[in-house]
This record gives sequence, C-alpha cells and structure tokens, in this order.
Amino acid sequence: DTGVSQDPRHKITKRGQNVTFRCDPISEHNRLYWYRQTLGQGPEFLTYFQNEAQLEKSRLLSDRFSAERPKGSFSTLEIQRTEQGDSAMYLCASSSDSPYSANSPLHFGNGTRLTVT
Amino acid sequence: DQQVKQNSPSLSVQEGRISILNCDYTNSMFDYFLWYKKYPAEGPTFLISISSIKDKNEDGRFTVFLNKSAKHLSLHIVPSQPGDSAVYFCAASASNFGNEKLTFGTGTRLTIIP
Repeated sequence: DTGVSQDPRHKITKRGQNVTFRCDPISEHNRLYWYRQTLGQGPEFLTYFQNEAQLEKSRLLSDRFSAERPKGSFSTLEIQRTEQGDSAMYLCASSSDSPYSANSPLHFGNGTRLTVT
Repeated sequence: DQQVKQNSPSLSVQEGRISILNCDYTNSMFDYFLWYKKYPAEGPTFLISISSIKDKNEDGRFTVFLNKSAKHLSLHIVPSQPGDSAVYFCAASASNFGNEKLTFGTGTRLTIIP
C-alpha cells in the first residue's frame, strides 16, 4: 500500500493559465474523489469516480473545471483560465467502497497546493 | 450553508488528560459520521466513524459519541498524547441517498501541552 499520490505538490500559475493535476489512487481502489480545501475551511467535495465513470459533480465544479479517469486508474483535474479564487489545496482520495462503509474509509493524498497570482 | 459545524477553532489540553472535540450538524439526512486528523503538509487521515444506529463507538484511545436528537457528536481522546496535536475534522454523509459525498466541518486545531 503505497498510498494516494498527487503531483505536483505545489503549482504557482498566473491568472488565465490552464493547470492540470494528477492523482494516482491506491491500486485496488475503484473509487476516486477530488476535494478542495481553502484556508480555514474543511475539504469540500468536487467530484467522484467509480472506475472510469464520473458519477457525482458538485456545483462548485464550474465549467472551467474538468476531471477525468480514463482507464479507471489515475485521474486528472484540469482548471482552465485560472482565477485567483481557485487558489486552494486540491485533495484526491480513494477507497474500495462507499465512504459510509466502516471498512473502507477515504484515503487522502497530500494534496496539490495551487497559487494563482 | 455550513451543514457541519465545529465551533471551536482551537483547543489546548495537558498531556495525559482528556481531549473533547465537538461537532454539530444541521442536515437530518446525515446518518454516518467520521473524524479525520490532519497534520501540516499532509492529507487528512481517517480516525474513527459512527453510524446513526449507534450512539458510541470506541477504538483504543478514541471514542466518538453521537446524540441524534441534539444533532451533536463528540470525539474523546484519552489519554491525550503529544502526537495527537493536529487539526481534527468532523465529516458527515447521507448514505440513504446513495451519494458518496462527505461534508466536512471547518476543523479544530488540538494542541497537546507536554
């Protein structure tokens, strides 16, 4: 169990640029989640995949955001035309079952910190 | 609309004593609750959970209590140790609706004083 891996750890970009983050979940986990955390707040749900299917999207996920999990393994989160309000920690998590199953809690990665200048 | 609230941003406790972290929720559809711990520069780590069919769940030094009528849960850590110093997040989900979303509180920073 190598854990959930996220790349890059930090990203600084200028307003208007596009950015892409990658998440590699724990290998046997079929569920993958993206959350966003801003300063002083808890993580906020963005979207969720079961295998390659994107099954839930938050209204926080504007049309500038797109997430994919093409082969049901790693996932990418792209933000187009970044805005300063996009500055946050983007967290990826994976699990083998639903988050309300006691035996399969979400395992989070260490996040990608995005700073938009 | 903060559906999960942690009203204490910070808490300091002497080593060896009991730490009690509190969480309130407003959405009556929530039926599963979790606590996560977060160290700086790391992602949250699962600690303990409880289903709404129970009012208590224990795992070693950690106990979670759920009071459904008050829409309140608490995490007890006893005895507190220096390694417990971290930010603690309460989270909730509505499993009956089949959605996979966890709703988190804003966190409580726990500092254990040696």
